[in-house]
Amino acid sequence: DIQMTQSPSSMSASLGDRVTITCQASQDIGNNLIWFQQKPGKSPRPMIYYATNLANGVPSRFSGSRSGSDYSLTISSLESEDMADYHCLQYKQYPPTFGGGTKLELK
Amino acid sequence: EIQLQESGPGLVKPSQSLSLTCSVTGYTITSGYDWSWIRKFPGNKMEWMGYISYSGSTNYNPSLKSRISITRDTSKNQFFLQLNSVTTEDTATYYCARGAMMVIPFDYWGQGVMVTVSS
Repeated sequence: DIQMTQSPSSMSASLGDRVTITCQASQDIGNNLIWFQQKPGKSPRPMIYYATNLANGVPSRFSGSRSGSDYSLTISSLESEDMADYHCLQYKQYPPTFGGGTKLELK
Repeated sequence: EIQLQESGPGLVKPSQSLSLTCSVTGYTITSGYDWSWIRKFPGNKMEWMGYISYSGSTNYNPSLKSRISITRDTSKNQFFLQLNSVTTEDTATYYCARGAMMVIPFDYWGQGVMVTVSS
């Protein structure tokens, strides 16, 4: 299986901060990576797909990037509604595998 | 609007089977896509468990292959998860979701059902 190493596992940040979450793939996955946001009691919501593409309805302060086997989700200016868990998923190869998740909290 | 809804018991005893139902509205499961089960463990880690395709074929995570079965009832537009010989390690929130390996995998999800394995 392809291992996805996600960091940090948790972080706290202030409103207006620039926040970056990273996933590293153990094998080549191309751009076949998606980021999900999950708020408490809710189901995951696709945010960024194919590594860099914004999903429908997602605010433009969210962006995705890739550098080699490292994939990043960046929030340019943190808002209160962004407090949530974030998960990456590779869908290059079966079985699709998730990173360990990042819990983003308000400082 | 496409909606998925999980249902099933919230408590299962060790060594027994876990059985969950996913009811889909707004889309016919035989029209297209794969229909997956995914779980989220305490501590935040998530695992794709398997899917049943629109044609009825299945694909399972090898980590579960000997214990899992996904079936469907097309007349009710539902698909089902059965996980046998559960242990406390199977305690998780279980989600059904549309898709697997597609442009936007898992684009629609149910709200999840928490299942605790305990005697």
